[in-house]
Order: sequence, then C-alpha cells, then structure tokens
Amino acid sequence: DAGITQSPRHKVTETGTPVTLRCHQTENHRYMYWYRQDPGHGLRLIHYSYGVKDTDKGEVSDGYSVSRSKTEDFLLTLESATSSQTSVYFCATNPRDRGTGIHQPQHFGDGTRLSIL
Amino acid sequence: GESVGLHLPTLSVQEGDNSIINCAYSNSASDYFIWYKQESGKGPQFIIDIRSNMDKRQGQRVTVLLNKTVKHLSLQIAATQPGDSAVYFCAGGSSGGSYIPTFGRGTSLIVHP
Repeated sequence: DAGITQSPRHKVTETGTPVTLRCHQTENHRYMYWYRQDPGHGLRLIHYSYGVKDTDKGEVSDGYSVSRSKTEDFLLTLESATSSQTSVYFCATNPRDRGTGIHQPQHFGDGTRLSIL
Repeated sequence: GESVGLHLPTLSVQEGDNSIINCAYSNSASDYFIWYKQESGKGPQFIIDIRSNMDKRQGQRVTVLLNKTVKHLSLQIAATQPGDSAVYFCAGGSSGGSYIPTFGRGTSLIVHP
C-alpha cells in the first residue's frame, strides 16, 4: 500500500475550536483526497489535491479547508468545528499507471475518528 | 452527478455459501469500478476492479460482473468465510483526468459459522 498515516487517530474537541487532521504518504502519489464517512452515507469527498498547492473542492467542502505544501502531506482543517462535523475522516491517495497514466485503485488510511461536543 | 448505491444494507450467509453483493450506478460515463472491503476500525481495502471494456473479472475467490446495459455490477465471493465479514463498497468513476469516484453506502456482510 501507499503507507498512508493519518494523525491523530482519535480526537475529541469542543464546538468552535480549530482542528487540523494530517495525512502523510510515503509513495509519492500525486493525487490525495479527504473523505468523511457517516452512517447511511457512502464516503463523501471533502477536498482533493492533484499536486502540491493544487486543490479543489468536493461535494461536502463547506466548513473545511486543506493545504498541500509537500507531496507527502495533505492537511484538513476545520476552522471552527461544529457538531455536524463529528465523523470518521479518511485520507486516500491514488496511484497512476506509470506507462499509461491511467488511475489505479485508491489507497486509504485507517481514519481519524473526530468527535465534536 | 454520479450516484452509486448498493441494494441491501445487510447480507447474512452461512460459512461456505457463495455471497453476492450488488451495486447500481447512474452515470453512463463511468468506466472504472472498484470493490472495497472495510473492516471495523480500518480504512477501505481494495478487493477487485473492472474497467468498462470488460464484463467479468476474477480474483482469488472473488468475481466482479459488470452489466453496462442496466448499469449494474456485482461482487461474488465464493465459499464465504468468517473472515469475509465486513462492509463492502462499490465505487465508480471516470479513469481519465482527475479521478473522483463516487462510493456506494455499503453492504454489511455477516458470515455465520
């Protein structure tokens, strides 16, 4: 796998506080993604990155920002956490075939369980 | 946009049975489909994928079938084992450009010994 490490693995915080989640990968994949996973929903895309300093919004981006200053790190920030952002957050990377450039299956980290009280 | 869904939230089977998990998608432009397995407390793990130029692909004990006419794919697990108990997701998307797959909600497979 891509050696994806998410930190922290668990966090409990209060409404209104800022929170930053980190995703670190060791395989030099260009594409990185942040998803949230909630009961009754599939994985929903928050933001993704297609290169250093190149990011774009997903379907549930409100209240979240991201930064990617290095290939290996993709940060997700909740500027002012709300209870509706209580969720499990997954980071993923997406390798591409070196010859054809065709996308391959995403690799996922083990998630960060975030509780906002 | 794309929507991808699974037909059943839970599937219970006996050990040794074959399991079939279904998924439907809406976007005809989707050309790349993946099945993932997710165990409790873990991230999704790749099981098998299929591109739209194929109807069937086999792996070890798993087979994915793709029916583009009705926009349906299925995951078949042969001789299901207790270790197969997990949530299974399908994902669909376009493999060109920026890859932004859409995920189904998942089917929880419960295997009874």
